[in-house]
Amino acid sequence: ETGVTQSPTHLIKTRGQQVTLRCSSQSGHNTVSWYQQALGQGPQFIFQYYREEENGRGNFPPRFSGLQFPNYSSELNVNALELDDSALYLCASSPGGENTGELFFGEGSRLTVL
Amino acid sequence: AQSVTQLDSQVPVFEEAPVELRCNYSSSVSVYLFWYVQYPNQGLQLLLKYLSGSTLVKGINGFEAEFNKSQTSFHLRKPSVHISDTAEYFCAVSEVAGYSTLTFGKGTMLLVSP
Repeated sequence: ETGVTQSPTHLIKTRGQQVTLRCSSQSGHNTVSWYQQALGQGPQFIFQYYREEENGRGNFPPRFSGLQFPNYSSELNVNALELDDSALYLCASSPGGENTGELFFGEGSRLTVL
Repeated sequence: AQSVTQLDSQVPVFEEAPVELRCNYSSSVSVYLFWYVQYPNQGLQLLLKYLSGSTLVKGINGFEAEFNKSQTSFHLRKPSVHISDTAEYFCAVSEVAGYSTLTFGKGTMLLVSP
């Protein structure tokens, strides 16, 4: 069984640029969530996709957007990068259906904005 | 909305000593409760979860937690820690009736020394 994989693992961007982060969900999982973990903080919910539709969003501005593809992989896009966007971005998948709350996390993409 | 408070940002302990990591939550609706662990440069891994039933739940690596509804707490315990338990521990909640999205605390760094 393949776990959640994310790419790239590390990247550096400058303020104002755009970034795309990618995530492959665990086999059999149709729900993908994205979280932002700033240094010294707990992860914060960005949004969730279920069967290619966004079905929940946290308190993040519209410049954070996403996609889910038919194979349930997902992208997180961030436009007009700001210094405060520097963080570890975590993707998590779950089987969908009844909510047990358990998520399976990837190792994250560490974004540094200069 | 829910919130999670982890009362200690850092807990230093000697190897083979017992440890308790404290977690309190606030919610107007029923929630599920979780503890996740994050080792350096890795994603999050589920330690244990409380969905219903017995208030004492056992997880991986010898950890256990007790749900106390009246005190809205879900403290994590281990009777004897190892050096390898050094990691960041996150308490989290998820609405029972909601989607599988998690609200995390800020984390507690467990530092085990010889």
